[in-house]
Amino acid sequence: GENVEQHPSTLSVQEGDSAVIKCTYSDSASNYFPWYKQELGKRPQLIIDIRSNVGEKKDQRIAVTLNKTAKHFSLHITETQPEDSAVYFCAASLNYGGATNKLIFGTGTLLAVQP
Amino acid sequence: GAGVSQSPSNKVTEKGKDVELRCDPISGHTALYWYRQSLGQGLEFLIYFQGNSAPDKSGLPSDRFSAERTGGSVSTLTIQRTQQEDSAVYLCASSLSVGGYEQYFGPGTRLTVT
Repeated sequence: GENVEQHPSTLSVQEGDSAVIKCTYSDSASNYFPWYKQELGKRPQLIIDIRSNVGEKKDQRIAVTLNKTAKHFSLHITETQPEDSAVYFCAASLNYGGATNKLIFGTGTLLAVQP
Repeated sequence: GAGVSQSPSNKVTEKGKDVELRCDPISGHTALYWYRQSLGQGLEFLIYFQGNSAPDKSGLPSDRFSAERTGGSVSTLTIQRTQQEDSAVYLCASSLSVGGYEQYFGPGTRLTVT
């Protein structure tokens, strides 16, 4: 089955700097890659996702890149702010026929943005 | 509209007792998922319901765990003869079946087995 690895487990940056979190997946058939943000004591919330038919997607300060050949994808946060501090999870899924499927998650990255 | 809701929010039980956790998905979402998040860990897939299809139970850790979904809406996760290692936050999520991949999570049920 699918296995997702995520690095680093913790990341500390200064406010205004960029943060990069990387994930690798094992199943080359996976075709959907979301990123979730989870603040302490809160539920995970989707911040950005990418499908395997594109290599990059951007939404304001957040971007995700996908390298299908190498089976890895990354989250990029620019101009970090203290409110970006949270645990970030990557995930992979095989969605076929346009239907949804279970997510296999990475182990999470605790991002701390120092003011 | 209303999001995914779960009850109870917290549950403390004694080892060996059975527990039931409830999930109310977003109205109109026919896909429903259960995940488990142990302290400081990632989210572990447990079971997935998709419309009227047979559920994907491949993530259930033992036969003490079961889940059902009645009327294509509310779901109940049951853990029999609870063990201390079952202590975790149990998260439910729902999504549209087709065309919308985003999974919306509920607030979770924190289960503590003493």
